[in-house]
Amino acid sequence: EDQVTQSPEALRLQEGESSSLNCSYTVSGLRGLFWYRQDPGKGPEFLFTLYSAGEEKEKERLKATLTKKESFLHITAPKPEDSATYLCAAIGNQFYFGTGTSLTVIP
Amino acid sequence: NAGVTQTPKFRVLKTGQSMTLLCAQDMNHEYMYWYRQDPGMGLRLIHYSVGEGTTAKGEVPDGYNVSRLKKQNFLLGLESAAPSQTSVYFCASSLGIGRINSPLHFGNGTRLTVT
Repeated sequence: EDQVTQSPEALRLQEGESSSLNCSYTVSGLRGLFWYRQDPGKGPEFLFTLYSAGEEKEKERLKATLTKKESFLHITAPKPEDSATYLCAAIGNQFYFGTGTSLTVIP
Repeated sequence: NAGVTQTPKFRVLKTGQSMTLLCAQDMNHEYMYWYRQDPGMGLRLIHYSVGEGTTAKGEVPDGYNVSRLKKQNFLLGLESAAPSQTSVYFCASSLGIGRINSPLHFGNGTRLTVT
């Protein structure tokens, strides 16, 4: 069964405390993986697309990486404005979404 | 450039009532989707469309109908609302599944409560 699992479900960090979010997937015919950010009361906002193992993408304090079984979203020296839910979605014959990691960054 | 626009933002229905959620996109995308998002369940696909005049069932289509009469619009209908349909509904669009640089673009959602 194609599925995507994200961990942890929730993460609290002190401002400046770096960490990583995990997205593991079992999707046949994987064509890529997306990362999204979702703020309360808003729709998911696109962050990155990764297409092949070994690929990395960066945007400000965020860096996404991809292996054959999982993807990581690394957050370096986070700030309170990075607080949000982060979703990943694997692309097979459809989009398979994880349930997200709720990140809270405490000043 | 508005992207994906959903109306209404909030709605409360009584069991058995009907309503239509509206979605419009101005990016000339071929594909459009309706998802529902529930706590602990993530985003689940209700119906989708690969072009004007086409619709297809997703993961959780029961109790919903859709129409795509114009390329830029995708409508989601609830004929007889049930409390189990209380959720946040998101519309999204994309150039196509798996195409390079073709992520889903989401609207800001409709929060529906059925009492």
